[in-house]
Amino acid sequence: QVQLQESGPGLVKPSQTLTLTCTVSGGSISRDSYYWSWIRQPAGKGLEWIGRVYASGSNGYSPSFRGRVTISVDTSKNQFSLKFSSVTASDTAVYYCARDPIPRGLDSWGQGTLVTVSS
Amino acid sequence: QSALTQPPSASGSPGQSVTISCTGTSSDVGAYNYVSWYQQRPGKAPKFIIHEVTKRPSGVPDRFSGSKSGNTASLTVSGLQAEDEADYYCSSYAAGNNLLFGGGTKLTVL
Repeated sequence: QVQLQESGPGLVKPSQTLTLTCTVSGGSISRDSYYWSWIRQPAGKGLEWIGRVYASGSNGYSPSFRGRVTISVDTSKNQFSLKFSSVTASDTAVYYCARDPIPRGLDSWGQGTLVTVSS
Repeated sequence: QSALTQPPSASGSPGQSVTISCTGTSSDVGAYNYVSWYQQRPGKAPKFIIHEVTKRPSGVPDRFSGSKSGNTASLTVSGLQAEDEADYYCSSYAAGNNLLFGGGTKLTVL
């Protein structure tokens, strides 16, 4: 059974770049034919899809975040990462990674990691 | 593209049925049979409960069912139980390798 675990700094200063990593276990990013996605949820609000990456490096991004976000994959480490530039307080949220067997849906999720943007 | 539209709240008594709607457009919900539903309990990650409009992943009780008509998808929870109290989110595949979520519905079991 695949498991996902987010990691990264819990606190980021405004205007800096947020970098998060998702480590996949119980499955192989390079062998499995899935996309892998990032989603975020501000406190008390709904889910927002950020974007996805395939093992080949092919991407899809939400128009809401395109230009600020880069999602990449490291198949040697069985990880994929999110880089979010020029963050502001409105980017404070719980960030989730998930397996994305497009277009079936997000079938396995990490536990989420809280990122606070504050000076 | 805008998020999908869900009612902010729904409620029902134990044993009753409740239906939550998810309205999109002809470019997302209406165009593809790729609507999913997620259950999220407080402080927890979302759980995948319906995919491709009507299909239940292994382990999801058959009290949960999905349907779609035109640009609106629906989740029905039958035989409500106290443990069903949670937030529910719909999502839909959209053109351009995009994914849209609904704003979420808080289900209260009275």
